Amino acid sequence: GAVVSQHPSWVICKSGTSVKIECRSLDFQATTMFWYRQFPKQSLMLMATSNEGSKATYEQGVEKDKFLINHASLTLSTLTVTSAHPEDSSFYICSASQGVSQPQHFGDGTRLSIL
Amino acid sequence: GQNIDQPTEMTATEGAIVQINCTYQTSGFNGLFWYQQHAGEAPTFLSYNVLDGLEEKGRFSSFLSRSKGYSYLLLKELQMKDSASYLCAVRGNQAGTALIFGKGTTLSVSS
Repeated sequence: GAVVSQHPSWVICKSGTSVKIECRSLDFQATTMFWYRQFPKQSLMLMATSNEGSKATYEQGVEKDKFLINHASLTLSTLTVTSAHPEDSSFYICSASQGVSQPQHFGDGTRLSIL
Repeated sequence: GQNIDQPTEMTATEGAIVQINCTYQTSGFNGLFWYQQHAGEAPTFLSYNVLDGLEEKGRFSSFLSRSKGYSYLLLKELQMKDSASYLCAVRGNQAGTALIFGKGTTLSVSS
């Protein structure tokens, strides 16, 4: 079945640091990947849609200059949290699907803690 | 606007059957999904409905009525490991677009 890999699983860093999270589709090509954020005891909130070879589409309220998305190949999308602050601490999850009518499969998520 | 409603919490005992309801109001519909999420982990896919009716998959079944904007997830022969959050999600107008998630239903299974 479809497998989506996300790395790293955990990040703990100082305020002001930039953090890069990778999302890979391991056995299929994904022209579109999605980035979500989940705060404790809340549901997943879509941050942006990552499009291979073009600019990402950001949801309202998500700062594109703070959350940089690069989708340089059909199997890799990266999310960089620039100059991270404690309020950016959250669980970041990516997803992708094998086809436009197929279910989305999620990576294992990245727990980001900014001190 | 977009709105997906499901109960916040449910409890049940081992071996029982539980039904988790989901109602939705979205600006388009291209499929309804159920995911299971254990605490601290990413969601895992359970089921997918795009046409009206019941989809059965082992102990889990999911039902959809598009005219009513309603779905349910049915879990049979409950096990302790089924204690988790169950997320209802709808895909909007176009295939290939992102999912809109409900807030999730936390199911606690006791012995």
